[in-house]
Order: sequence, then C-alpha cells, then structure tokens
Amino acid sequence: QSVLTQPPSASGTPGQRVTISCSGSSSNIGSNYVYWYQQLPGTAPKLLIYRNNQRPSGVPDRFSGSKSGTSASLAISGLRSEDEADYYCASWDDSLSGWVFGGGTKLPVL
Amino acid sequence: QVQLVQSGAEVKKPGASVKVSCKASGYTFTSYGISWVRQAPGQGLEWMGWISAYNGNTNYAQKLQGRVTMTTDTSTSTAYMELRSLRSDDTAVYYCARDSCTGGVCFIDYWGQGTLVTVSS
Repeated sequence: QSVLTQPPSASGTPGQRVTISCSGSSSNIGSNYVYWYQQLPGTAPKLLIYRNNQRPSGVPDRFSGSKSGTSASLAISGLRSEDEADYYCASWDDSLSGWVFGGGTKLPVL
Repeated sequence: QVQLVQSGAEVKKPGASVKVSCKASGYTFTSYGISWVRQAPGQGLEWMGWISAYNGNTNYAQKLQGRVTMTTDTSTSTAYMELRSLRSDDTAVYYCARDSCTGGVCFIDYWGQGTLVTVSS
C-alpha cells in the first residue's frame, strides 16, 4: 500500500481536460514539494512537474500541477493520444526520511 | 545530455545477491546524488535509498536496511546497488535516478533505463 493515495485509473478523450489527484499527510505533501512523473508503457519514468507546479524544459504547458494542504493534483488539458501513460506523484516524507510515491494512475486516452 | 545507463537483466536464485550498475554521463557526477527506485511487475514505484556521489553518504529505506548497499566509483562515474538475501518479492525493475539539489531541496530528475532482476528457483 502506497503512502500517497492516487486513483488507480482516469480516462479522457482527445481534447479533454483530465485531473489526477494525490493525497498525503502533514509529514509529506503537507510540508514538502510534490513532483509528478509520467511513465509511458515499457519505459522509465520521466519528470513532468517539479516543486508543485514547475515544468522542466520540453514539457508542454498542457501539463500543470497544483498543491493545497496535504493534497495535490495534476491537470492535463487538450488530451492527446501520446499522453496515454501511468502518472505517479511523489514527495519527501519527513517521518520516513525518504521519498514516497503514489500507487500510480493509469490514463488511457479513449 | 544527461544519461544513466544501467547493467543488463539478471536472474538469481532465492538467497543470492545481485549488484546493479549505473554509469552516468553528461554531467559532473560528484555534484549530484543517486537514488535507487524499484518497480515490481504491474506495481508502483518504491524508493530504496540514496547515495551522495560527493562523499558517499547513504540513506536507505528502513524496509531494506541490512540487505542493501549503495556505492559509487567516482573514477568511472558509476553507481552500484547491491541487494542481498534475495526473495521472490524482490523481483522487479530496478532504476537508478539522479538527485538534483538546489537551495537544499532535492528531487529526482533523470532516470536510467531500468534493470530487470528476476528471483526464481
């Protein structure tokens, strides 16, 4: 069981806006930054959002992140077929002194 | 460009050990840390621990304390992760990843391609 809680699946059609939630606690999301990773089928994860809402260079502005209290969310607007992937949230946990991840959200683009 | 290239797939028997390597290029190896993260088949990501490539300091996940050792060889910009007393539930893809730190805040930014370790009798 993962420390951070994500819905196991989400879905959308091309062009739609989809949001994925990530719930934690005061020892992780509540006191540290949230990060989002995209894992395309059969590949390694890729950094999508860092420090709650910052995009690395090369990540389209269709992807955005936000955080409030002990929860965070990832929004994808203008959904495209190439966005079909698993998405993971992550945060540092002060009690565990380590990184914790969500269980991942599978996003098919129908 | 930053690259982390890992060693190839391994098949081990229960009770054995495995050592996975991760060769870094495209950046100054000693200016960053390396985290190891594993992913069991069809499952999510699990952080295993971290090593500073600058001074060799380590921080292991409590669950793996006593079974895992992380090291680096700065002469070849290579990080290593050794896991001992392997069990069937250690079967997973093992990733190395770069830890990038700015202003005291660190995060994982680049990942290796992964190494499948299968534990089976």
